Amino acid sequence: QVQLVESGGGVVQPGKSLRLSCAASGFPFSSFDMHWLRQTPGGGLEWLSRISFDETTTHYSDSVEGRFSISRDNSKNTLALEMTSLRVEDTGIYYCARDVGGETNLWGQGTLVTVSS
Amino acid sequence: EVVMTQSPATLSVTPGQTVTLSCRASQNVMANLAWYQQKPGQSPRLLIYRASTRATGVPGRFSGSGSGTEFTLTISSLESEDFAVYFCQQYNNWWTFGQGTKVEV
Repeated sequence: QVQLVESGGGVVQPGKSLRLSCAASGFPFSSFDMHWLRQTPGGGLEWLSRISFDETTTHYSDSVEGRFSISRDNSKNTLALEMTSLRVEDTGIYYCARDVGGETNLWGQGTLVTVSS
Repeated sequence: EVVMTQSPATLSVTPGQTVTLSCRASQNVMANLAWYQQKPGQSPRLLIYRASTRATGVPGRFSGSGSGTEFTLTISSLESEDFAVYFCQQYNNWWTFGQGTKVEV
């Protein structure tokens, strides 16, 4: 079954760290660029980060540059997002997504991150 | 950053109607635009890519058009399962999304 499954979300205090994971199955994971996005409590979608299929390049939105780090393990078909210095405004549902040429035709079910004291 | 602006924010319709959703980019994104549908509690679903190409399994009543900075998504003969939030996304310069249009009864 072609799918992405995120995990690792939870409630965390401002300033703390959290690591999200995304397990891919049913397709050649190592052939696709991958992304992390989030959906805010208000419903907006925000792109966060991208990693190339071969791990050689990464990119980040201005809002998370320097605080978040994307990585992947193609031998284990997993994608990760290391989040540090978390802020209240980082609260949301975090999705991993597969890039098929700019658009994405595969999203995970999402994992909820709540940053609150 | 490319800012995507969708209108209207909410569209009140009845089944059987034809609806048109608009999406405007703050700069030229060529045809690098996608449309997604999201229902409550679900992840977004790809409907249209490259501005006008339907994704696999998407019914023919969904159509997209436009290029450059102006885009539209048309849903012909709206069905009850089409009530959802629709997002546009540009992928010409990284990814940015519109704020969404809610299609409701």
